[in-house]
Amino acid sequence: EPEVTQTPSHQVTQMGQEVILRCVPISNHLYFYWYRQILGQKVEFLVSFYNNEISEKSEIFDDQFSVERPDGSNFTLKIRSTKLEDSAMYFCASILGTGGQGPLHFGNGTRLTVT
Amino acid sequence: KNEVEQSPQNLTAQEGEFITINCSYSVGISALHWLQQHPGGGIVSLFMLSSGKKKHGRLIATINIQEKHSSLHITASHPRDSAVYICAVGDKLIFGTGTRLQVFP
Repeated sequence: EPEVTQTPSHQVTQMGQEVILRCVPISNHLYFYWYRQILGQKVEFLVSFYNNEISEKSEIFDDQFSVERPDGSNFTLKIRSTKLEDSAMYFCASILGTGGQGPLHFGNGTRLTVT
Repeated sequence: KNEVEQSPQNLTAQEGEFITINCSYSVGISALHWLQQHPGGGIVSLFMLSSGKKKHGRLIATINIQEKHSSLHITASHPRDSAVYICAVGDKLIFGTGTRLQVFP
């Protein structure tokens, strides 16, 4: 069964550094999402992406964050200048249709640790 | 007020018990998802619902669009069902806070 893959599985970085988290969604899916989960807290929506542009973003997704689909397969989340509070598990997800239609597929996540 | 509320937050059960987890939401939606997050952190989709009821093995999910409420039922619960169960709604897939289920043998 096709799956969403995320790399790296764990990233450690120093405060102020830029990080890029990578995701390869399922190939025929059209909608892509990034979520984060701070340890012990609920999963929070960051951003959704469709047709090569952001369709929605949350308050968390400020100017320090950006997303790209550079080559038609990868879907990246960049944090320009990491802060300690960015430490979390970041999940990528993809879905075939609009309005949340269709099975939702998640990657295994990237654990980001900012020191 | 959260847009997606789940109850209970924590649930313990003996193996074999019937489990119900509830999800209420305030936003208009076209679909609702039930997800399972295992202790290792991975998230798996269980159901996508837009109306009525779906069944998969021992899991049953129902939704009432008019009342903005959905339930997830687990029949004959088993220790391997122990996980966090999350409902997610709307185009942004807003997550509920999750229900932590522990099933003891």
